[in-house]
Amino acid sequence: EAGVAQSPRYKIIEKRQSVAFWCNPISGHATLYWYQQILGQGPKLLIQFQNNGVVDDSQLPKDRFSAERLKGVDSTLKIQPAKLEDSAVYLCASSSRVTSGNNEQFFGPGTRLTVL
Amino acid sequence: SQKIEQNSEALNIQEGKTATLTCNYTNYSPAYLQWYRQDPGRGPVFLLLIRENEKEKRKERLKVTFDTTLKQSLFHITASQPADSATYLCALDMDNAGNMLTFGGGTRLMVKP
Repeated sequence: EAGVAQSPRYKIIEKRQSVAFWCNPISGHATLYWYQQILGQGPKLLIQFQNNGVVDDSQLPKDRFSAERLKGVDSTLKIQPAKLEDSAVYLCASSSRVTSGNNEQFFGPGTRLTVL
Repeated sequence: SQKIEQNSEALNIQEGKTATLTCNYTNYSPAYLQWYRQDPGRGPVFLLLIRENEKEKRKERLKVTFDTTLKQSLFHITASQPADSATYLCALDMDNAGNMLTFGGGTRLMVKP
């Protein structure tokens, strides 16, 4: 079974520029999450999708961050404009309550964003 | 809001010893608590889940305890190996369905040969 795919793996941009990250979850997983992980901290949930609908985006800075999952599969996370404090690893995860009795989340390798 | 505390200082132990990591939380007790392992440059990987009515859970060399009175979970690795060196994250299941995880900051474990 293929894991969660993310691209790009690394991105360096100047502040005030825009950037987009892509995620392809495990096939059949209805729930998709985007997390922000700042160096030395645990992952912080930004947004959760159930199929193509948003379940929770309470911690998403909506003035600059946006995310979509149009067909209920792939997802993109965008930052526009970026700030220095957005430098972090952006993790995508997926889960399936149907196939997993442990409710665990499966994470991708992440995209490391550096804002200069 | 829920606060989760893990020892931010790295834990250094000798190979073969038992490593014990602590996860403390405030406010209400979740129905589930999960532990993940994260290696540098990789996403977290699920290890174990323990429910509030389970005092202890084991998987191979791993053991997790959950004390809802103390609001604490302990994560043990017995007969530790250098390959166990990683950061270990605890996560509280806030909606009792694995959908809304709140992670602690993680503890880095270093096992020396």
